[in-house]
Amino acid sequence: QLQLQESGPGLVKPSETLSLTCTVSGGSISSSSYYWDWIRQPPGKGLEWIGSIYYSGSTYYNPSLKSRVTISVDTSKNQFSLKLSSVTAADTAVYYCARRYLPSSGGHRYFDLWGRGTLVTVSS
Amino acid sequence: DIVMTQSPDSLAVSLGERATINCKSSQSVLYSSNNKNYLAWYQQKPGQPPNLLIYWASTRGSGVPDRFSGSGSGTDFTLTISSLQAEDVAVYYCQQYYSIPLTFGGGTKVEVK
Repeated sequence: QLQLQESGPGLVKPSETLSLTCTVSGGSISSSSYYWDWIRQPPGKGLEWIGSIYYSGSTYYNPSLKSRVTISVDTSKNQFSLKLSSVTAADTAVYYCARRYLPSSGGHRYFDLWGRGTLVTVSS
Repeated sequence: DIVMTQSPDSLAVSLGERATINCKSSQSVLYSSNNKNYLAWYQQKPGQPPNLLIYWASTRGSGVPDRFSGSGSGTDFTLTISSLQAEDVAVYYCQQYYSIPLTFGGGTKVEVK
C-alpha cells in the first residue's frame, strides 16, 4: 500500500529557506498516472495548495507563492521535495505531501492520498 | 483564481440528526465536455490529514459511509451527513480541481450538540 512521509527541519529562521522532502513508499513515484503535490495548513486555519510535480519534472505552482517555491523530484530515491525561500512567520504551518491522479485525457483531479504532515515553525 | 466559500463556519447537530454544509464557487466548476463537476469534499479530524469523502461532487470515496452524500452543480454544492455519528465530528473542506491554482473552502467545523 502506497504511503507518503514528510521529513525536514521543524524550525526555520526568518528569511531562510524551508526545505522538506516527501518519501513515497510501497509504489513508484515514476508512475505516469500521478502528480505529487504539496499543501500547507497554518495552525487552526484552512488548506492552501502550494504546487505539483510530475515524475518528468514538470511543475505547477500556486501564483501566490510561485516566486518563492521550487518543487523537485528525485526518482532514484522515490522522493520529491519542496523549497520555500525567504520565509516569515506567515509560513508557519503543517506541510502535507499528497498524490493526485493524472488522467490520460488531461485535466486535474482531487487528492486521494495524503502524508501525515509535518509542522514547520518559522521563528528566530 | 476560483474562490471557494463555505457556510456555515461551524454547526452543532444532535446525534442522529442531519448536518448540511454549503460550498459556493466564484465561477462554475462544471466542465461542459464531460458534464462533470470538478468538486471534492474532505473530512479532517484533529491531528490528522484530510481524508477524501466525495469527488465529482457526488461520488463517495472508497470506504466512505453512505450517510455522507454530495449534491449540486455549477457553482453551488452541498455536503449532507444524513444521521450524524460521534465519529463524524471534524472539519469539512470543499475543493475545486477545475483549474490551477487548486483551491479549498475555508472549512466547516461540525460538532455534536
